Amino acid sequence: DSGVTQTPKHLITATGQRVTLRCSPRSGDLSVYWYQQSLDQGLQFLIQYYNGEERAKGNILERFSAQQFPDLHSELNLSSLELGDSALYFCASSVTRGNTGELFFGEGSRLTVL
Amino acid sequence: DAKTTQPPSMDCAEGRAANLPCNHSTISGNEYVYWYRQIHSQGPQYIIHGLKNNETNEMASLIITEDRKSSTLILPHATLRDTAVFYCIVRAYNTDKLIFGTGTRLQVFP
Repeated sequence: DSGVTQTPKHLITATGQRVTLRCSPRSGDLSVYWYQQSLDQGLQFLIQYYNGEERAKGNILERFSAQQFPDLHSELNLSSLELGDSALYFCASSVTRGNTGELFFGEGSRLTVL
Repeated sequence: DAKTTQPPSMDCAEGRAANLPCNHSTISGNEYVYWYRQIHSQGPQYIIHGLKNNETNEMASLIITEDRKSSTLILPHATLRDTAVFYCIVRAYNTDKLIFGTGTRLQVFP
C-alpha cells in the first residue's frame, strides 16, 4: 500500500460525457502528479501540482483539467470524452520539490469510454 | 531529460539473478538514474536510484558504468512476483516529474 488513494477504481461512461477522478496523496506529501496509461501510449505524464499550484505540465489535452485543493487532494477532470480517452489514470505523490525521485503511485482509476 | 533505451523484453529463471540493462548515453552531470517496476496494471513502484556510484537496497542493486552512459539493474534472486515491466528513467535532480519510456518486460519462469 503506497498510501495514495484514488477513486473511483473503475468508471464506465459514454462519449461526450465528463468525469472527475480523485486522488488523496500520502500524508504530508505536497506534490501530486497525474499520469495516463493507455495500451498504445505507455505511461504519459499529464500534470503536476505542488501545494495547490500547477508546477509542470505534460501531454495534457485541453479537454482535461486538474486542480489541487487546500487539503492537498487533487482532482482530474476529463470532459467531452472520446473513445481514445479509455485508459488507466494514475496519481502519484511525493514529498517536496526537488525530491529524491521517489514517487508513490496509487492503484489507478480505470476509465472505459463506450 | 536524457533518453533511455531498454530491451523490450527479457526472460529469467526463478531464483536466478536478473540483469536488466539500460542505455542513457546522453545523460548529463546533474541527472540521476531511476528504476521503477510496474506489475501488471498496478501503479509503478520505486526500486532504486543513483548518480554515479553503485547502489544497493533490499530490492535490488544498481550498477552505473564509469562514463555513466549505461546502467544495469540487478535483481539478485528473481521471483515470480518480479514478472513486471521495469522502467529506467533519467531525471535531473532539480525537477520532479518522471518521464517513463517503454521499459523492459521481464518474464520470470519457474
